[in-house]
Amino acid sequence: GEDVEQSLFLSVREGDSSVINCTYTDSSSTYLYWYKQEPGAGLQLLTYIFSNMDMKQDQRLTVLLNKKDKHLSLRIADTQTGDSAIYFCAESSGHSGYALNFGKGTSLLVTP
Amino acid sequence: KAGVTQTPRYLIKTRGQQVTLSCSPISGHRSVSWYQQTPGQGLQFLFEYFSETQRNKGNFPGRFSGRQFSNSRSEMNVSTLELGDSALYLCASSGTGTGATRRYEQYFGPGTRLTVT
Repeated sequence: GEDVEQSLFLSVREGDSSVINCTYTDSSSTYLYWYKQEPGAGLQLLTYIFSNMDMKQDQRLTVLLNKKDKHLSLRIADTQTGDSAIYFCAESSGHSGYALNFGKGTSLLVTP
Repeated sequence: KAGVTQTPRYLIKTRGQQVTLSCSPISGHRSVSWYQQTPGQGLQFLFEYFSETQRNKGNFPGRFSGRQFSNSRSEMNVSTLELGDSALYLCASSGTGTGATRRYEQYFGPGTRLTVT
């Protein structure tokens, strides 16, 4: 199947910006997502972007999409210790249902 | 508005048994999808139901099945459990209205942690 790749680990200092990167291979990806998972919990939908957009901002979150390079990033401004979690990138083509194809997740550690 | 609820939250079963997991979607949502999360394979799509019909299916054996009821609640069943079925099973709901618009906007429940011994 098509791949979604993410780096496994990122560590930042509290107050700094975090940037989590993701690459995908499916050229028919229409919807691209970022989900957050805290220990012992389900997935929280943070934000999503359509493939015809190149940027979306939502409070502290900024999503950038480079469709030509199939590269998606999530920037978290003013990162807090409560942002420590696993962040999953996902894509869906929407052609036959909306099955999400996930990356392996990036573990974000925010240190004081 | 209440979120997606899944029951039970934790389950321990023995190899060879079968198990049924339940998912209640967000009120008004018509589509329910199921995912399996394991440390080795990550998050994998199982199936999606909309209007009581399976609309999409992932690459899992026939031991994994599901159904959706007229009130959009969904169940998934795993028969003849294997040790490798130990996982967090997540349900997601989406799609409002008769046309189930915004099916792409999926909200997840807390999951059911299944342990097979």
